[in-house]
Order: sequence, then structure tokens, then C-alpha cells
Amino acid sequence: EVQLVESGGGLVQPGGSLRLSCAASGFSFGTYWLKWVRQAPGKGLEWVANINEDGSQKYYVDSVKGRFTISRDNAKNSLFLHMNSLRVEDTAVYYCARGGQTRGHYDYWGQGTLVTVSS
Amino acid sequence: QSVLTQPPSVSAAPGQKVTISCSGSSSNIGSNSVSWYQQLPGTAPKLLIYENNKRPSGIPDRFSGSKSGTSATLGITGLQTGDEADYYCGTWDSSLSIDVIFGGGTTLTVL
Repeated sequence: EVQLVESGGGLVQPGGSLRLSCAASGFSFGTYWLKWVRQAPGKGLEWVANINEDGSQKYYVDSVKGRFTISRDNAKNSLFLHMNSLRVEDTAVYYCARGGQTRGHYDYWGQGTLVTVSS
Repeated sequence: QSVLTQPPSVSAAPGQKVTISCSGSSSNIGSNSVSWYQQLPGTAPKLLIYENNKRPSGIPDRFSGSKSGTSATLGITGLQTGDEADYYCGTWDSSLSIDVIFGGGTTLTVL
């Protein structure tokens, strides 16, 4: 059974930093693209970042470029999101998701971790 | 405001059928496949439909997807109270530096 379990969320002040983790199991971790997707309170879904199978390709939504860094450790079946210079508008539930075999869909999602940026 | 347009809400009675539309453009739905996600209250999204009309293992055939031109439709038959959720369409857009773009979401109420 595929499982994705996020951790690391919490309350942080504007300008602060946080590192999210996603522990994966039940599939061949190093053979899939992985994603971070966020959902602000009461709002819709927004893709945040992508990383390819070996970590050599990384992509970000414009609003987080230069502030967030996605990474992975294939030996530990783990995905990370390092978030710096956090803003109030980054407040959201952050989900890790697995990319499908073809582009354009995410076939498994974690339960999410809440990040609250507030003074 | 999302590039993909969904109705904010739809409703129908138990046992009935409902459809949810997702309207886009030639650079997204018109040239790429569409996926649909169900988000039950307080839970993570779950893939319902991918590549326009394919169901992942475990998704009942009450759920169906179709695409025509720059629009896609999710159909749900035999509605159950447990189907009350937010539904999102998704695809990627050839003109944007974004992976998957999502519609604004549709809240389904089973009356």
C-alpha cells in the first residue's frame, strides 16, 4: 500500500523558516516524480514544487521561487520542502503527492501538514 | 481566479446523477489530459479520474470522466451521502510554467 506521511508543519512568524518532510512507503520511491501541493484555508489546490526521480530537476511556482527548496533522499524514501522567508500568504495545508505514470495527474497524496505564518 | 472554471456548487438527491463541468482553453484542456480529484471534508484529495476517463483501481464505476474540446466533465451516478465533497479538475497548461493547474473546485451536496 502506497503511503505518504507529512510532518514538520507548525506556527512560524513572518520571515521565519520551516522544513517539511514526507516519508514514503509501499512503492519504488526513486522511480517517481514527487510534488508539493498546498491549500490555503477555505481555498483550492495550488501546485508548489516538483522534483524528478534522482533530484536533478526541480521546478517551483513563481510565488515561492528563491524562498522554497524541494529535495529528496532516495536512500531514506523521504521528500523535503525547505521554506525560508515565509509570508502570511504561505499559510496553508501542504500535501506531498506522487506524480502519475503520465504527466498531468497526482495519483497518491499524503494527509497534509498545516503551516501557519502569523505574528 | 483559476484558469480552469468549475461551478462553485452542485446538488442532487440520493440515487440521482450529477455532472460537474471544467472549462479551460486550447493550451490546457484542449491539448492535455484531465484528471479529477475528490476531497472529502477534512481529508486529503484523492484521484478519481486520470487521462480524461480512466479510473484508478478501487474507484467505483459510478464515477466517469469525459472531455470534449476545451471542456471536461465528471459524472457521478447513484449518488450517495458519502459523495458529499469538493471536486477539483486538473490538467497542465502548455503556456504556463506550472505543473498541474487546478480548477477552483465544486462542492457537491447530496440533498
